[in-house]
This record gives sequence, C-alpha cells and structure tokens, in this order.
Amino acid sequence: EIVLTQSPATLSLSPGERATLSCRASQSVSRNQLAWYHQAPGQAPRLLIYGASNRVTGIPDRFSGSGSGTDFTLSISRLEPEDFAVYYCQQYGSSPLTFGGGTKVEMK
Amino acid sequence: EVQLVESGGGLVQPGGSLRLSCSASGFTFNIFAMHWVRQAPGKGLEYVSAIASNGLSTYYADSVNGRFTISRDNSKNTLDLQMSSLRPEDTAVYYCVKGRDVIVGSTCFDYWGQGTPVTVSS
Repeated sequence: EIVLTQSPATLSLSPGERATLSCRASQSVSRNQLAWYHQAPGQAPRLLIYGASNRVTGIPDRFSGSGSGTDFTLSISRLEPEDFAVYYCQQYGSSPLTFGGGTKVEMK
Repeated sequence: EVQLVESGGGLVQPGGSLRLSCSASGFTFNIFAMHWVRQAPGKGLEYVSAIASNGLSTYYADSVNGRFTISRDNSKNTLDLQMSSLRPEDTAVYYCVKGRDVIVGSTCFDYWGQGTPVTVSS
C-alpha cells in the first residue's frame, strides 16, 4: 500500500498570499496518477487536479499541480476566501487507492 | 448535471446492520465503476469499496472486508452498501462517489454525493 504524507498539517496564510502544499508518497506513484481535492467545512470533497498537473474544467487557474514519482505539490497562487479549507491528495496508480491525511489552509 | 444522493444512514448499535443507498443521475451509470468513501468525524478520507460497471468485480478495504457488501442495479441507477457486524470505528459520513474513469481501479473521483452519516454506538 502506498502511504501518502501531506505537509504541513496546517498552513496559516492571509488572503492574496501563495500556498504551497506537499504530498509525498512512500513509493513511486505509477504514471503520476495523483489527484488533489478541496473540502470546505461540512461539504463533500471536490476534485481539483488529476494526473498530478491537470486542472479539472471550471477550477480557477490559480490552482496548479506539479511533481512526479514520489513528490507532488499543489500551489494556490493567490488565496481567495473560499480557498481556506482542507486539501487531500490521492494516488490511484496502484491498489489500494489511498488518500493523504490532509492539509488545512487556515486564515491567519 | 451529475447528481449522487445517498440515503439510509443513521444510528445503529454495535453488531447491527444498515443498508446505504445511492441514487445516481446525469450520466451513463452503467458504464462507470462506482465507489464508497468514508470520513470519520474530524478525520481524513478512507476508500471503502468499489464495484465494476457490470457488477461482476468488487473491492473492499481490509477494514470492512467480510462485513460490507456492495451492489448495484443498473436498471434503476442505484448503488447500495450493505453493512453488517458494525463497529464503533465504522462511525463516519459515507460518500457515494463516481470515478472519473470507467474502470474499478486506477481512478480518481470527479463527483461526490453529499454524504450520509452513520453512527455506531450503544
């Protein structure tokens, strides 16, 4: 099983600042099959990025994903109020599909 | 518009059973594998179960294998999760989820239901 470790656990930033979230895998993620999700309080997760760097239709271009192998990054260029939430990475390159523990982006 | 609407959650005693259902619309249900993902209170996401588009292949996490049964009815566009021998650690919000790809494995999840809460407690 691939274990995904997200860091930091909590990121305290102000609106307009840049956020950089990390997701590290315990072994290489096949074909960079790594996704990122946004979860607002009390809401279901929402897919942002798939294939490590492909933005879902309708997701603002301030969100970008990068990385390969075992190290992946989600960047948010300028935080908007609705971006303060929890973010999860998920690998789907091998079974079982696994999620990271999440990074909470909170308002400073 | 894709919609996934779960039902069936509630309070159940340890050792009890519960059946969750998900009604799907807005996409061609019978070509996509479907999945259940759960989230314990204040915790992260856990992949629970999946079923192939034709219902012939299933997957269960080790934590629920032998206690949960996933099924689907392509004529009604519904997905079910029969849960038995429930434990307190099964307490969570259960999400019905559509895979972005049609296959059971190797997929991320592009649509999620609103979730149905399950509480296992005496």
